[in-house]
Amino acid sequence: NAGVTQTPKFQVLKTGQSMTLQCAQDMNHNSMYWYRQDPGMGLRLIYYSASEGTTDKGEVPNGYNVSRLNKREFSLRLESAAPSQTSVYFCASSTRHQGYEQFFGPGTRLTVL
Amino acid sequence: KQEVTQIPAALSVPEGENLVLNCSFTDSAIYNLQWFRQDPGKGLTSLLLIQSSQREQTSGRLNASLDKSSGRSTLYIAASQPGDSATYLCAVESNYQLIWGAGTKLIIKP
Repeated sequence: NAGVTQTPKFQVLKTGQSMTLQCAQDMNHNSMYWYRQDPGMGLRLIYYSASEGTTDKGEVPNGYNVSRLNKREFSLRLESAAPSQTSVYFCASSTRHQGYEQFFGPGTRLTVL
Repeated sequence: KQEVTQIPAALSVPEGENLVLNCSFTDSAIYNLQWFRQDPGKGLTSLLLIQSSQREQTSGRLNASLDKSSGRSTLYIAASQPGDSATYLCAVESNYQLIWGAGTKLIIKP
């Protein structure tokens, strides 16, 4: 039981490049989330998927897109990376969207030059 | 807009001491409050979840309390150990989203 896995662990991009961060969970959770964590700040929600087939914007969605590929997988895409997107990105999942403990992946450290 | 604050940003105490970490929030209309632990270079681990109708939760040496009316929560760690060194974050569930504090970095000195 791997829990929540994320790939890659590290990535360096040049401004304007695109990339997709992958996330998968094996806990049969309905809800999945993407957060970013910047130094000295709390985590901020980018997008979430309350259930398979649905996605919604969080607090900071601009510059990102997501795909809930199936119940297990939830990907985050940066279409044209900007230095302001340099951050650590965490994927999380929970049984349902409200009121349940969230389980986190190990994170992806992204640097945009 | 819900805001979550954790003070202090960092704390260093000798091993064996009991300690309290603080979390405050501006809007008392919360669904629950959660405490997490984050180790360097790793993801977050959920420690305790307190529903809005509850006053406290306990797990081993950890006890978390919630006072919605004053917008405060505390995480009490008994008999601290070097392995407790980590960053502790609190988050409140409000309007279907978790709103996070910036965390308290805790160092337990052997």
